[in-house]
Amino acid sequence: GQSLEQPSEVTAVEGAIVQINCTYQTSGFYGLSWYQQHDGGAPTFLSYNALDGLEETGRFSSFLSRSDSYGYLLLQELQMKDSASYFCAVRSFLISSGSARQLTFGSGTQLTVLP
Amino acid sequence: EAQVTQNPRYLITVTGKKLTVTCSQNMNHEYMSWYRQDPGLGLRQIYYSMNVEVTDKGDVPEGYKVSRKEKRNFPLILESPSPNQTSLYFCASSANRGSRDTQYFGPGTRLTVL
Repeated sequence: GQSLEQPSEVTAVEGAIVQINCTYQTSGFYGLSWYQQHDGGAPTFLSYNALDGLEETGRFSSFLSRSDSYGYLLLQELQMKDSASYFCAVRSFLISSGSARQLTFGSGTQLTVLP
Repeated sequence: EAQVTQNPRYLITVTGKKLTVTCSQNMNHEYMSWYRQDPGLGLRQIYYSMNVEVTDKGDVPEGYKVSRKEKRNFPLILESPSPNQTSLYFCASSANRGSRDTQYFGPGTRLTVL
């Protein structure tokens, strides 16, 4: 099966940089995604890594090391509105069905940004 | 506007009373899926569908059924709901091509089974 580990809580101040780590165990790894969810809201897509390295999208960057089964989300210039839960998710390739559509989420990291 | 819609948004029901939560997307996406979200457990995939008439089990399929008769719709059926199915449910869709893996989530359905 698949499993992911990420910290349950992270606190940082406005303007700072924070890194949320994610380690995973899976067979048939296909890619690692990151989602943001504000209280009571739907998850929204932030980033996706299928290959090793860094992907940058504005203030957010995501990194993947497939050999280490590890990734992280980097949030720069933190703003109050960044307070939310952040989920990493692994997409796995199912040999039995020939599809890469099994998606497993981590338990989420609650980020609190303080003024 | 590109979106995923779910109905109802809130539902309180009793044990054993069959219910259906509808999900519809207007983006012509091939891939659709259902998740449940419980405190401390994150999002767990219930079922997913690669295309019309193609569905498969996710991590927690017990007690649920799905169907995909049309590309845009992917209803979740609870034949005999039980209290342990009280949860927040999300439907999601994505295009089944390319390496970028953007899933679009619906607004969620909060279900309480008494």
